[in-house]
Amino acid sequence: ETGVTQSPTHLIKTRGQQVTLRCSSQSGHNTVSWYQQALGQGPQFIFQYYREEENGRGNFPPRFSGLQFPNYSSELNVNALELDDSALYLCASSVVRGVGANVLTFGAGSRLTVL
Amino acid sequence: LAKTTQPISMDSYEGQEVNITCSHNNIATNDYITWYQQFPSQGPRFIIQGYKTKVTNEVASLFIPADRKSSTLSLPRVSLSDTAVYYCLVGNGSSNTGKLIFGQGTTLQVKP
Repeated sequence: ETGVTQSPTHLIKTRGQQVTLRCSSQSGHNTVSWYQQALGQGPQFIFQYYREEENGRGNFPPRFSGLQFPNYSSELNVNALELDDSALYLCASSVVRGVGANVLTFGAGSRLTVL
Repeated sequence: LAKTTQPISMDSYEGQEVNITCSHNNIATNDYITWYQQFPSQGPRFIIQGYKTKVTNEVASLFIPADRKSSTLSLPRVSLSDTAVYYCLVGNGSSNTGKLIFGQGTTLQVKP
């Protein structure tokens, strides 16, 4: 089975720009979650998608938005980038319930630097 | 979602057993306890999950007392490659899957 893949692995943007990060879920998983991890901190939950709809959101402003596609892949979009958005963005997939629920499979992340 | 408390850092030597304890006083009846390992510039990796008593897999053991207000991750005979950050999380296995709250984790440094 394939794991979670994210792209791009690294990118540099300037303040005010917009960015789209992509994620392919692990085979058999139907839920995608996005996390932001600042240097030296634990991952912070941004939002979760299930059945192509947002299914829970953390304490992030509306300029953080996402999509889930029928094949369970996902995008994270961030508008009006700020310097504090510089972080590792992690995508994680899982099953919504049953055996394996509450076990997240993470990708390697996309490292975003905002200048 | 229950909050967890764990030591910020621990040091150990190769070949020793390492025990990392996590407190979760407000754990709910249907919450599971899950531990993840993270290396620099990588995503967290699932280590072990349990509900009560003891769980063991090829990597680690997880000890959970009867009141479930704490848990201990045990890593047998650590090696240098076990140097990483270890996160303890609690959450249930249904509708809020993925909405897990990570703390700062425990940074384990294994020395030769």
